[in-house]
Amino acid sequence: GAGVSQSPSNKVTEKGKDVELRCDPISGHTALYWYRQRLGQGLEFLIYFQGNSAPDKSGLPSDRFSAERTGESVSTLTIQRTQQEDSAVYLCASSLRAGGPYEQYFGPGTRLTVT
Amino acid sequence: DQQVKQNSPSLSVQEGRISILNCDYTNSMFDYFLWYKKYPAEGPTFLISISSIKDKNEDGRFTVFLNKSAKHLSLHIVPSQPGDSAVYFCAARASGSARQLTFGSGTQLTVLP
Repeated sequence: GAGVSQSPSNKVTEKGKDVELRCDPISGHTALYWYRQRLGQGLEFLIYFQGNSAPDKSGLPSDRFSAERTGESVSTLTIQRTQQEDSAVYLCASSLRAGGPYEQYFGPGTRLTVT
Repeated sequence: DQQVKQNSPSLSVQEGRISILNCDYTNSMFDYFLWYKKYPAEGPTFLISISSIKDKNEDGRFTVFLNKSAKHLSLHIVPSQPGDSAVYFCAARASGSARQLTFGSGTQLTVLP
């Protein structure tokens, strides 16, 4: 079946502009996560959604970052007034449910470059 | 403060030999550990996991060992194959309300033919 998809695959933007990244999780997966990976570093948790519960936003680095999810489907991560330090690969993952033995399945990521 | 550490950024192994990738953690609340493999331009793919109630889990050529007292886990790949060349990430999840994974910085494994 289809895996997690993300768009765009690459995004180059000028400092100060807003960007919107999209994630389509695996159908039926109730949990959705956003991570980012800066060059040479591990994955850094940003936010996760579980069904209709309030999202866990504890990983968002600043109020310039926000994310939405419609039900158990598509999610968008928005970065306002982008800065050069926002340059990273943004990865989305979904799992059948949050926690427990449920593995997270990752999309290919969106490479964001802020010039 | 890195809660999950992979101190070796790279490892080279000859084809057919054993690859051992190491991971250390500091958070005693972690109760579930996973290894992911990542090829360039792709997202990480799940490889193998282990619960803190076990000390070993095996799946084909891949075995994960957990030493809770040392807060250390390792991934053994035997025999190593050139297709195993990738970045390997160790990840951990804490018990309680946390659901996100905490990742190490990764180890680039190169299996030489």
